[in-house]
Amino acid sequence: EIQLLESGGGLVQQGGSLRLSCAVSGLTFANFAMSWVRQAPGKGLEWVATVTGSGSATYYADSVKGRFTISRDNSKNTLYLQMITLRAEDTAMYYCAKDRADSDFWGQGTLVTVSS
Amino acid sequence: DIQMTQSPSAMSASVGDRVTITCQASQDISNNLAWFQQKPGKVPKRLIYGASTLQGGVPSRFSGSGSGTEFTLTISSLQPEDFATYHCLQHNSFPITFGQGTRLEIK
Repeated sequence: EIQLLESGGGLVQQGGSLRLSCAVSGLTFANFAMSWVRQAPGKGLEWVATVTGSGSATYYADSVKGRFTISRDNSKNTLYLQMITLRAEDTAMYYCAKDRADSDFWGQGTLVTVSS
Repeated sequence: DIQMTQSPSAMSASVGDRVTITCQASQDISNNLAWFQQKPGKVPKRLIYGASTLQGGVPSRFSGSGSGTEFTLTISSLQPEDFATYHCLQHNSFPITFGQGTRLEIK
């Protein structure tokens, strides 16, 4: 059974940093791209970033480029999202998802709240 | 960037109704489109992938069609559990983009 489990969310002050993790099990992790998707309270879904299976290529939404870094450790079957210079508008539930977020495998989400 | 225009943004319907939700892509995305259903406080659930392939375990009253720039999600006969928000997603090219979502409410 494929499972994705996010952690690392919490309350952080504006301008602060946070690192999210997503532990993946039940598949050959290195074979698949992985993505982060977020959803602000009461809003729609927003793709944040994708990393290829090897980690050699990364892609970002303009809204986070230069502030967020997606990475992975294939030896630990774990996906990361390093977030710096956080803004109030980054407040959201953050989901990790297999592939380009087009898959049926998403985590339960971790909530990030940025306070001013 | 590819814009996904989803309509309507909200609608009300009755149990048994046939419902159609559309997504229009600003460029050709072939069939690289998925539809998700999301209930309040829950994780999005994939209904359709490849624009028209039904996810295993999803009731056959759900169907998807389209290719290129015009896509449709149809629910043939609404059931009480179908009242939710629906999202389309294009994964043809980066940046990946979602539609704005359609909130389907009970009339």
